[in-house]
Amino acid sequence: EIVLTQSPGTLSLSPGERVTLSCRASQSVSSSYLDWYQQKPGQAPRLLIYGASSRATGIPDRFSGSGSGTDYTLTISRLEPEDFAVYYCQLYGSSGLTFGGGTKVEIK
Amino acid sequence: EVQLVQSGAEVKKPGESLKISCEASGYRFTGYWIAWVRQMPGKGLEWMGIIYPHDSDTRYSPSFQGQVTISADKSTSTAYLQWSGLKASDTAMYYCARILITMVGGLWQYQGMDVWGQGTTVTVSS
Repeated sequence: EIVLTQSPGTLSLSPGERVTLSCRASQSVSSSYLDWYQQKPGQAPRLLIYGASSRATGIPDRFSGSGSGTDYTLTISRLEPEDFAVYYCQLYGSSGLTFGGGTKVEIK
Repeated sequence: EVQLVQSGAEVKKPGESLKISCEASGYRFTGYWIAWVRQMPGKGLEWMGIIYPHDSDTRYSPSFQGQVTISADKSTSTAYLQWSGLKASDTAMYYCARILITMVGGLWQYQGMDVWGQGTTVTVSS
């Protein structure tokens, strides 16, 4: 079973800052099946990035994803007030889905 | 508009049965896998299982195998998640989501869980 570990658990940042979130897989995975989701309090998750680096429909270009093998990154180039949320990485595989534990991005 | 609309909040007692729903509209229901995801209070997302409505092919997370049943009704474009004997530990928010896999350049391409239901809160308490 593949485990996704996200770090850090919480980030305290100010609007306008650049943020980099990490997702590490316990073994090498195909980047084609690695996604990132954003979840705000009281809302369903929203797809941001699929296939490690492709932005979903309607997602601003300040969000970008990269990575391969075991290490993946979500970058927000310049934090907007609406970006403070929890971010999850997720892997789609033949045996099902796996979520990382999430990283909370909070206002400093 | 592509959307998934889930049934309303439920309050149940331990041992009771429950079936919650996820109605799809705006797309061909039988052509896409549907996932069910649990979120316990203050916690992260957990995959429960997926179903392909075309033939009801269903896969369960080992953590939920035998604990829940996932089904789909093609005639009403609705996916279901059911319990036969609820426990207090089933108290959570439950989401359904569409898994988008499309043909791009002659190849099938996975494109994430692009549409989510609004969630159904299930509270189990004596």
